[in-house]
Amino acid sequence: QKEVEQNSGPLSVPEGAIASLNCTYSDRVSQSFFWYRQYSGKSPELIMSIYSNGDKEDGRFTAQLNKASQYVSLLIRDSQPSDSATYLCAVTGYSSASKIIFGSGTRLSIRP
Amino acid sequence: NAGVTQTPKFQVLKTGQSMTLQCAQDMNHNSMYWYRQDPGMGLRLIYYSASEGTTDKGEVPNGYNVSRLNKREFSLRLESAAPSQTSVYFCASSAGGNSNQPQHFGDGTRLSIL
Repeated sequence: QKEVEQNSGPLSVPEGAIASLNCTYSDRVSQSFFWYRQYSGKSPELIMSIYSNGDKEDGRFTAQLNKASQYVSLLIRDSQPSDSATYLCAVTGYSSASKIIFGSGTRLSIRP
Repeated sequence: NAGVTQTPKFQVLKTGQSMTLQCAQDMNHNSMYWYRQDPGMGLRLIYYSASEGTTDKGEVPNGYNVSRLNKREFSLRLESAAPSQTSVYFCASSAGGNSNQPQHFGDGTRLSIL
């Protein structure tokens, strides 16, 4: 079982709709959770951090964390074509405080 | 506001050649990392340095060596390049410690081994 799992997609969402990206993780003691956006040919860019259960909103983005279910999600409201990218979920690892484990990413496509 | 700077951006090598990828950060971060990213494989950790003076192997260290030259700089060396090492290499840094802080990435080095 992978430590951080994401559906690889592609996830196709119409412009203006809500895109919902999901991530599950295997280590119950994980503490910090991040979402990165990666455009094709570019480096990963941090878009959200979440550390406690519940929702965290930043503009059109909402991160949701449920530690009991070992589940973290990212909602993108009013999706725009510029949101088309691969979204990487990242979770702090258990064996070393300094390592972060990345999922393989979900490719999101916003169709006009 | 440079952040994490990687050099070179592109490189083509012949099998058996050696080279060093350079990475420098200006955010006073303690921890630095080297990843490779291949299509469909996601980011794979090669080596990391939790703090100045320490380095540790990641998921795919074979064929690579690293040097944490000082707090700012972390280099990755390929001693004898192989076609399987064709990839995009990313350097990242973070505050480290309890690791509540995320990693910040450089722009990457696109490396081709012929």
